[in-house]
Amino acid sequence: DTEVTQTPKHLVMGMTNKKSLKCEQHMGHRAMYWYKQKAKKPPELMFVYSYEKLSINESVPSRFSPECPNSSLLNLHLHALQPEDSALYLCASSQDRTGPYEQYFGPGTRLTVT
Amino acid sequence: RKEVEQDPGPFNVPEGATVAFNCTYSNSASQSFFWYRQDCRKEPKLLMSVYSSGNEDGRFTAQLNRASQYISLLIRDSKLSDSATYLCVVTVYNFNKFYFGSGTKLNVKP
Repeated sequence: DTEVTQTPKHLVMGMTNKKSLKCEQHMGHRAMYWYKQKAKKPPELMFVYSYEKLSINESVPSRFSPECPNSSLLNLHLHALQPEDSALYLCASSQDRTGPYEQYFGPGTRLTVT
Repeated sequence: RKEVEQDPGPFNVPEGATVAFNCTYSNSASQSFFWYRQDCRKEPKLLMSVYSSGNEDGRFTAQLNRASQYISLLIRDSKLSDSATYLCVVTVYNFNKFYFGSGTKLNVKP
C-alpha cells in the first residue's frame, strides 16, 4: 500500500484565520515532506522531516508552521496567510531521507486564501 | 542554472505514436532518478525509477546517460490516457532533496 492521505481536500480561509492541514502515511516511511504547487509549475519544497525532526526549512515564512507529532503524521499550521499563498499543498513521504527511495504524494489540499 | 531542465512542450502527438522526452541534470553527484506523471489538478504519481542499465515497464522505457547527464523517457503506442505532464526528478542523497524539472506536457490526440 503506497497511500498518503491528506485532509481537507479543499480549504478556503480568510487572511486572519488559523487552520491546519493534515497528512498521514502508514508505509513506515521515516521522511515526510511538504510541498507547495502553483498552477503549471513543479512542486516547490517547503519542509522536510526526517525521523520526526525538521531537517530542512526552505526559508518558508513563519505564517506556515510544520509539526510532526509522530512518524505517521505531519501537520501544517496556517496563520495570517496572504492571497498569494493560494496553491495546492502536497504532502509526500519516502522510506528515508537518503538513498534511492521514491517519494509518494498525497492527493493534496487545494487552499484558497481570500 | 537549474538543477533539472526539461523541455516544457507541449508535445502534441496522435494516438499510437512514439514520443520521447529528455531531461538534463546539472549535478554530477546525482544518484537517483525518477519519472513522475501528473494529471491536471492531481498529485504527481511515480511512473518509474530510472536505473543505470535502463529499464522498461510495458510501453515505457527509461534510460540514464551519466556521462552526458541526462535521462530519457520513451512512450510507445501512445494512448489518450497518456496525456499528462511528465516530471523528471533527481536526488542527491546527502542533500535530502528531490529536484524537480519543470515538467513536459504531453497531449495525445485521437
